[in-house]
Amino acid sequence: QQQVKQSPQSLIVQKGGIPIINCAYENTAFDYFPWYQQFPGKGPALLIAIRPDVSEKKEGRFTISFNKSAKQFSLHIMDSQPGDSATYFCAASLTNAGKSTFGDGTTLTVKP
Amino acid sequence: EPEVTQTPSHQVTQMGQEVILRCVPISNHLYFYWYRQILGQKVEFLVSFYNNEISEKSEIFDDQFSVERPDGSNFTLKIRSTKLEDSAMYFCASSPTLTSDTQYFGPGTRLTVL
Repeated sequence: QQQVKQSPQSLIVQKGGIPIINCAYENTAFDYFPWYQQFPGKGPALLIAIRPDVSEKKEGRFTISFNKSAKQFSLHIMDSQPGDSATYFCAASLTNAGKSTFGDGTTLTVKP
Repeated sequence: EPEVTQTPSHQVTQMGQEVILRCVPISNHLYFYWYRQILGQKVEFLVSFYNNEISEKSEIFDDQFSVERPDGSNFTLKIRSTKLEDSAMYFCASSPTLTSDTQYFGPGTRLTVL
């Protein structure tokens, strides 16, 4: 019940494309859903996060769409750039519980 | 901008040896975490630590693992007798409060057990 499932495992898009990464969770008690960006040799860095009381959140070129009834959320990257090439992890956590449960990760390649 | 630091960046050890991985969390943070990432796999929670004691630990965090905050700045993860399967990236993270959802991750220590 603690799992977070992420897809696809890898994704290749052309510059300017809109990659979409999907995640699904099981535990309905989760109330915080962050996305992390990780470059090779670096730790995960928080990119954007959402709570289940909103259906969408946008920060710059990054948008999270959240479907509470389906227990799914997704990351959209608008006008993707080669510098966005990285591994993206979705995660879920409980406020006041600290730990994050991560998805398997998606390796994104944006071709020039 | 304050950041979490970790040392060493890469540790190579022989199976059965003890290793200590070190982290310096952001100075005003109160909650500390260790996560593990086996090459090519997801980031996995190991342990959380607050007020000088473990708050929560995962199944991975068995008796071979221990954590300590030996002084006001360092936070360490000790693996008593390393196994081949302990080879992974180990990330330390910290957050200012439990209700602050943002966890700040360090750059990681790559542990290689031979």
